Amino acid sequence: GENVEQHPSTLSVQEGDSAVIKCTYSDSASNYFPWYKQELGKRPQLIIDIRSNVGEKKDQRIAVTLNKTAKHFSLHITETQPEDSAVYFCAATPKETSYDKVIFGPGTSLSVIP
Amino acid sequence: GAVVSQHPSWVICKSGTSVKIECRSLDFQATTMFWYRQFPKQSLMLMATSNEGSKATYEQGVEKDKFLINHASLTLSTLTVTSAHPEDSSFYICSARQRSYNEQFFGPGTRLTVL
Repeated sequence: GENVEQHPSTLSVQEGDSAVIKCTYSDSASNYFPWYKQELGKRPQLIIDIRSNVGEKKDQRIAVTLNKTAKHFSLHITETQPEDSAVYFCAATPKETSYDKVIFGPGTSLSVIP
Repeated sequence: GAVVSQHPSWVICKSGTSVKIECRSLDFQATTMFWYRQFPKQSLMLMATSNEGSKATYEQGVEKDKFLINHASLTLSTLTVTSAHPEDSSFYICSARQRSYNEQFFGPGTRLTVL
């Protein structure tokens, strides 16, 4: 089955700096890669996603890149703000069945220091 | 956007009892619902996938007789933790998606504590 790895597990940046989180996946048939932000005790919130036919996607301060050949994808947050502090999860959707289940990475705890 | 609710938001029960958690899609028809479990400071682990009107598909290592899932309608799925034990204490989160759409919408989660 699909296996998603994520690095780093923790990340501290100064306010205004950029943050980069990297993920790898194992199933070359995976075709959808969402990123979620989860605050303590809350539900995951989708912040950006990318499909396998696209190499890069940007939404204001957030961007995601995908390298299908290497099975890598990354999240880039620019001009970080304290409210960006949370746990971020990458995920992949293996095309095993028509159910399109989402497999989560282990998460990255991001701290933005004012 | 699409809204998913869960009930209850938290529950405390005695060891050996059963607990039912409801997941509802409030403004869309959810052809597929997913149940996750999340232990403190860990990721979301998929437990099972359910499609309306059919049996749930459980992930490897998840006991289907212990975690009963019912998806009786396009807006409701339930997870019943049977004979709960302290090690079942966790944060249980459901998500729902519409047919032909990748995005899943998550419920707010249910904090289960088994004494």
